[in-house]
Amino acid sequence: AQKITQTQPGMFVQEKEAVTLDCTYDTSDPSYGLFWYKQPSSGEMIFLIYQGSYDQQNATEGRYSLNFQKARKSANLVISASQLGDSAMYFCAMRELGGGYQKVTFGTGTKLQVIP
Amino acid sequence: DTGVSQDPRHKITKRGQNVTFRCDPISEHNRLYWYRQTLGQGPEFLTYFQNEAQLEKSRLLSDRFSAERPKGSFSTLEIQRTEQGDSAMYLCASSLNSYNTEAFFGQGTRLTVV
Repeated sequence: AQKITQTQPGMFVQEKEAVTLDCTYDTSDPSYGLFWYKQPSSGEMIFLIYQGSYDQQNATEGRYSLNFQKARKSANLVISASQLGDSAMYFCAMRELGGGYQKVTFGTGTKLQVIP
Repeated sequence: DTGVSQDPRHKITKRGQNVTFRCDPISEHNRLYWYRQTLGQGPEFLTYFQNEAQLEKSRLLSDRFSAERPKGSFSTLEIQRTEQGDSAMYLCASSLNSYNTEAFFGQGTRLTVV
């Protein structure tokens, strides 16, 4: 079974608008962390935001916020006031902490295109 | 230290040849990861080191693949007898030894097997 599911292969958003990128995850481990990364066309993976499974509040980092719904096992990324430079691939990822080795598993990504 | 460094950035090799990639992590990071990314996919976990110990290997890592981190600093990933299916971006990442810290990625090595 897929650990991380991103159901939107591609998304369009108008500049200055907000956009939500979906992510659902599957784990039986009560301790885990959720990450979002941005990958521009240049290829590097850029860390955006982190949410721990025990965190009471949704994480926020500037224009990025994570809508964490634990019961639904979803961790959607919200980008407010989209900018042209936000056009990139976005990956949701999870680290399960109970296994001891804590590898990070990635979804298949969502390609976001910001329209002027 | 400006981040995770990978070398080379690009490598074209003939099928059957051996290749070796190098990764220099952020200096204070004791965890180091190797991932492989093919076009249109997310990174797939290959292997993970904590200091010099290789703690986990994916089943994707066939016998032709070997990774080392001899002194707990830089790491090498070697692919022997390359096949066309090995063509991909090989990403290295490092992180601190804490569950809630992100991994920082290098810019990757793009391998093309012809």
